Amino acid sequence: GAGVSQSPSNKVTEKGKDVELRCDPISGHTALYWYRQSLGQGLEFLIYFQGNSAPDKSGLPSDRFSAERTGGSVSTLTIQRTQQEDSAVYLCASSSGLAGGYNEQFFGPGTRLTVL
Amino acid sequence: KNEVEQSPQNLTAQEGEFITINCSYSVGISALHWLQQHPGGGIVSLFMLSSGKKKHGRLIATINIQEKHSSLHITASHPRDSAVYICAVGGADGLTFGKGTHLIIQP
Repeated sequence: GAGVSQSPSNKVTEKGKDVELRCDPISGHTALYWYRQSLGQGLEFLIYFQGNSAPDKSGLPSDRFSAERTGGSVSTLTIQRTQQEDSAVYLCASSSGLAGGYNEQFFGPGTRLTVL
Repeated sequence: KNEVEQSPQNLTAQEGEFITINCSYSVGISALHWLQQHPGGGIVSLFMLSSGKKKHGRLIATINIQEKHSSLHITASHPRDSAVYICAVGGADGLTFGKGTHLIIQP
């Protein structure tokens, strides 16, 4: 009966390093979303998955960002060559049914990324 | 792209007051979400609505699809209601968010 979990909860890295953020959605949820919340900014949509497929990657801020989902479950968001502007809280959410804003989304606790 | 505007950005009120937070959006949608985020805490979905009104405890959410406007009301506000309230509209992919309303309820 666990909710959405994310790991790590906090990540401090040096500029230029790669980081991987993980999301475990609620079991059985077919849709998974990644969002970003920068300090003083609102929430920003990054990418969504329907099953293992991500139809639209245009929300990713740059080509340093990539995401994958395997087995219709766990998803990984990878940021290569991190920059200071990547510092933010990265949130994952999942929902049942078809992806989109039409179903209630359940949010994970987020990963706070700090790039020094 | 949908533009989501919330007002007010900040609101401080006394315990017991009736609270209203407003949300307007620019493009017709199928669903609107109200979310709550406590300081240092995660995000909790309060309501998802596509028409009319929903009530949960002291919280009431209304939406007017024609006017592209929604309101979140809190009756008999309490200090534990202090949080950021975020309006989000559903689209073909994920959600588009307002900037949030920072609510403080003083005892």
